[in-house]
Amino acid sequence: GAVVSQHPSRVICKSGTSVKIECRSLDFQATTMFWYRQFPKKSLMLMATSNEGSKATYEQGVEKDKFLINHASLTLSTLTVTSAHPEDSSFYICSAMSQAKANEKLFFGSGTQLSVL
Amino acid sequence: AQSVTQLDSHVSVSEGTPVLLRCNYSSSYSPSLFWYVQHPNKGLQLLLKYTSAATLVKGINGFEAEFKKSETSFHLTKPSAHMSDAAEYFCVVSGGGSYIPTFGRGTSLIVHP
Repeated sequence: GAVVSQHPSRVICKSGTSVKIECRSLDFQATTMFWYRQFPKKSLMLMATSNEGSKATYEQGVEKDKFLINHASLTLSTLTVTSAHPEDSSFYICSAMSQAKANEKLFFGSGTQLSVL
Repeated sequence: AQSVTQLDSHVSVSEGTPVLLRCNYSSSYSPSLFWYVQHPNKGLQLLLKYTSAATLVKGINGFEAEFKKSETSFHLTKPSAHMSDAAEYFCVVSGGGSYIPTFGRGTSLIVHP
């Protein structure tokens, strides 16, 4: 079946540094990707919707200058946490969707645990 | 607009007994519905999905769910719980022009020996 690869699975960084998380669709073209954030024992909160070749649409309350999203190709979207701080520590998950079969092609990456020291 | 409500934040069962995790949805369009499982410190794994085909959907690991439009429900069941089923379960609804998936708050399944 379709696979979404998310990398890295775990990252530890110092406060003030930037971290890039990659999300790749391995066997289908993902015209739309979603980025979620999960706090401990909480559900997943949508951060932004990323469409290939256009600017991401951010949810209310999400700082677009802090969480930079790039969707430059049909198989890759990246989330960059800029100038990370301890409060950015969280579990980040991407989801990729194919335009061809939108309701069926909804697959999630395995997530990235970000810890900011 | 769409939303999903998972009625129980925690469900506790004994090993070998049936499992019922409840999910109700609201959608302006014909929805697609999913159940995902997340084991501790792991990513999401798709259990099953409903996309306007058969209303009774069978998934992996013996789970199944029934789409009931009249009740706007998509409850997840399993006849006999196993210790390895202990995890967080998310009900997800997707539909409409944007297809943005909306997550329920999650239900923690606890399985006692």
